[in-house]
Amino acid sequence: AQKVTQAQTEISVVEKEDVTLDCVYETRDTTYYLFWYKQPPSGELVFLIRRNSFDEQNEISGRYSWNFQKSTSSFNFTITASQVVDSAVYFCALSPDLMDSNYQLIWGAGTKLIIKP
Amino acid sequence: NAGVTQTPKFRILKIGQSMTLQCTQDMNHNYMYWYRQDPGMGLKLIYYSVGAGITDKGEVPNGYNVSRSTTEDFPLRLELAAPSQTSVYFCASSSTENTGELFFGEGSRLTVL
Repeated sequence: AQKVTQAQTEISVVEKEDVTLDCVYETRDTTYYLFWYKQPPSGELVFLIRRNSFDEQNEISGRYSWNFQKSTSSFNFTITASQVVDSAVYFCALSPDLMDSNYQLIWGAGTKLIIKP
Repeated sequence: NAGVTQTPKFRILKIGQSMTLQCTQDMNHNYMYWYRQDPGMGLKLIYYSVGAGITDKGEVPNGYNVSRSTTEDFPLRLELAAPSQTSVYFCASSSTENTGELFFGEGSRLTVL
């Protein structure tokens, strides 16, 4: 069975603090893909990152960074120096080999991030 | 470039009524999806389509129907609405080149009373 767990339902931090959102996944596939999406208060989901199972390098994009560790089946997301505009619900998602799955994603329940000014 | 457009944004239905949620994309994407999002839950796939004329069930298809007569349009039909269908519905699309990057509409909030 494939599953994505985001244990943190809601996180609240003060602006400029660093915050890490956890994502733990389960899959028996050797080829799979992991994603993070952001859902701001406006409601529309926005793609942030895709990572395949063969690439464990961490990735940094501005204040955002992602730590992929196959040994612990985790794909955590860190926001450095958080800003109020980062307030949103963040979803982690898993897909087996994309073509075979017709790009069907398995979604975590999401983590609501609140950044206080 | 409008991306994925969903209508209506809000709708209240009475039990037993039917309605259609419209979804249109202008990116010439092959793949289209309908998800529902319930409070505190992740997205659940209702139906998807890999191209015009081809549709298939997702995880929670009961009570819904879809059609894909053109590449651009992927309407979702709710027959005999039930309170359990109260949810936020998202349409999304992707192309084979996007490798899993979904483009979402703004969502349609449906309440069944």
